[in-house]
Amino acid sequence: AQRVTQPEKLLSVFKGAPVELKCNYSYSGSPELFWYVQYSRQRLQLLLRHISRESIKGFTADLNKGETSFHLKKPFAQEEDSAMYYCARENQGGKLIFGQGTELSVKP
Amino acid sequence: GAGVSQSPRYKVTKRGQDVALRCDPISGHVSLYWYRQALGQGPEFLTYFNYEAQQDKSGLPNDRFSAERPEGSISTLTIQRTEQRDSAMYRCASSQQQGGEQFFGPGTRLTVL
Repeated sequence: AQRVTQPEKLLSVFKGAPVELKCNYSYSGSPELFWYVQYSRQRLQLLLRHISRESIKGFTADLNKGETSFHLKKPFAQEEDSAMYYCARENQGGKLIFGQGTELSVKP
Repeated sequence: GAGVSQSPRYKVTKRGQDVALRCDPISGHVSLYWYRQALGQGPEFLTYFNYEAQQDKSGLPNDRFSAERPEGSISTLTIQRTEQRDSAMYRCASSQQQGGEQFFGPGTRLTVL
C-alpha cells in the first residue's frame, strides 16, 4: 500500500531557527508529492508541490528518490509559520494519501 | 468567487441515526473528493467524482457510507445507522480537473453520541 510517513507529531523551534519537517513515502515510480498546511481556524490549503519547484513563504521541498523523502525546509522560521503541516502523495485519479501531520510551533 | 463550502459545519447525532453531509464545490470544478480525518491523523480518502460519475469509492469504510453527485456539482455523503467510530472531521475538496490542485472546504465535524 502507498504510504506517507511523517515521523514527528510536534516540532518546536524558536523564531529565526531553521526548520525541517520530515516526510518519507513508500516507493512507487515517480510520485507526485505535496505539502499542505492548515493554519489555526483556517482550512487545509496547498503549500507547495514538488513538480513546480517553487519556494512558497520561504519554504522549499526537494524530492530525494534515493531516500524516498520529501522534507520541507525553511532557513529562518517565523511565528506565523506555526500550523499543522501534512505531506501527501497523489494516487490514481488524483486522490491524495496524507501523512499523519506535524504540528510546527515557532516560539518567539 | 466563493471557495468550497460544506454544511453543516458541526453535526451531533445519536448512534443509529442517519446523517447527510453536503459539499458545494467551486463552480466549474470537475473533480470532487471526500476525505475523513480522525483526531491526530491526516485526512484519509473516501471517494471521488468526476462530474456526476463516482470514479472510486474504495475508501468508503463499509456499506453504511455512500455518496452521490447527481448533477455534477453539489455532493452529499450519507452515513446510515451512525456509530461512535464514525465521529471525525469530514473534508471535501474540489479541483478544476482530475489531478489538479485540490481546494478544501472547512470540513464538517461529526460527533456521534
